[in-house]
Amino acid sequence: AQSVTQLGSHVSVSEGALVLLRCNYSSSVPPYLFWYVQYPNQGLQLLLKYTTGATLVKGINGFEAEFKKSETSFHLTKPSAHMSDAAEYFCAVSSDTGRRALTFGSGTRLQVQP
Amino acid sequence: DTGVSQNPRHKITKRGQNVTFRCDPISEHNRLYWYRQTLGQGPEFLTYFQNEAQLEKSRLLSDRFSAERPKGSFSTLEIQRTEQGDSAMYLCASSLGDLRGEKLFFGSGTQLSVL
Repeated sequence: AQSVTQLGSHVSVSEGALVLLRCNYSSSVPPYLFWYVQYPNQGLQLLLKYTTGATLVKGINGFEAEFKKSETSFHLTKPSAHMSDAAEYFCAVSSDTGRRALTFGSGTRLQVQP
Repeated sequence: DTGVSQNPRHKITKRGQNVTFRCDPISEHNRLYWYRQTLGQGPEFLTYFQNEAQLEKSRLLSDRFSAERPKGSFSTLEIQRTEQGDSAMYLCASSLGDLRGEKLFFGSGTQLSVL
């Protein structure tokens, strides 16, 4: 079975500050990991994904995430927050080899204060 | 590429009524997924299609739920005898290809409220 835990349902940062959103996963096989973002009244959009290879992956809008197998983590970071980054962020895992659907975490709402 | 389209955007119904939602995926996308999202939770998988074949159903998909994808194009999700617990955002997503890890394109969802 696969699962995702996102620590912190709400995170608030100041504009220009570091963004760190935490994600831990559980998987019995090597996972594929994803971060999706949901802006108000819009569909989820893929930010970045890890499948194989380099463990540090870069995504859109300056976000990046690092796969750490020993810590079963895939935390999302951005060096400097912008107001436009305010949204809900979902970590997801695909690990069951016969199953194509993603399992999502419960989400973290990011607030960016001016 | 006009994106994934879902209709209606909002649906209010009374308990016990039947409702049907429609999803139009991105053309040429062979995979189509239905998810359900409740307040404060992430999307939960319901079912998915590869072309017209329904390949997997979650245990969340009770016998009151049925999904179809005739001719491998648009899809419908029907809920019979709605219950208040069915109130949620129903999301549709599509993808191209059958590789694990492919990018999902999501629609904006249909918000269902059961009174």
